[in-house]
Amino acid sequence: GNSVTQMEGPVTLSEEAFLTINCTYTATGYPSLFWYVQYPGEGLQLLLKATKADDKGSNKGFEATYRKETTSFHLEKGSVQVSDSAVYFCALSDLMDSSYKLIFGSGTRLLVRP
Amino acid sequence: DSGVTQTPKHLITATGQRVTLRCSPRSGDLSVYWYQQSLDQGLQFLIQYYNGEERAKGNILERFSAQQFPDLHSELNLSSLELGDSALYFCASSATLAGESYEQYFGPGTRLTVT
Repeated sequence: GNSVTQMEGPVTLSEEAFLTINCTYTATGYPSLFWYVQYPGEGLQLLLKATKADDKGSNKGFEATYRKETTSFHLEKGSVQVSDSAVYFCALSDLMDSSYKLIFGSGTRLLVRP
Repeated sequence: DSGVTQTPKHLITATGQRVTLRCSPRSGDLSVYWYQQSLDQGLQFLIQYYNGEERAKGNILERFSAQQFPDLHSELNLSSLELGDSALYFCASSATLAGESYEQYFGPGTRLTVT
């Protein structure tokens, strides 16, 4: 079945450091891929998405490229801020059993220190 | 603000009880999804409704049920509650049309604590 694997956290970085959070997926079809972010005490916010191979999603300085050949969708940011501290979830959506339900990775906690 | 509302924000109840969680989707969205977030299971899909009809079921216990009303709001009913049902319950909505996949927008969640 479909699944998403994310790197274990927590990831601890200093402000202005480069961020990479790895995400790989397994899917039988051609899924859409998403990154969601969950700030402390809040719900999930869509950060970015990509719907086909080689698409690059970007938002708020974050980027991720849909790599079909490596089944990956790694999240990157060139210079993190303290306010980026949150839990990041990689997810896929593909039509299965008449539904585009999201399948999530386990989440990666990011802590950015001043 | 995603435009998806959930009530209540927090719920504390005892084992064996029954609770109802409510979700109002974004204006115009026909699909409502329910997810459970727990420490041991992570984020898991429970059930989806589309325009009032059940569309798909995931890892939803038989003690749990849901419905979507004509005004498109949805309710998740949890009965015979157990300690292990303590979790954050999210609803999400999307403008899913046949053959298309749209992003899902999440509500703030309802934190359920069973004591």
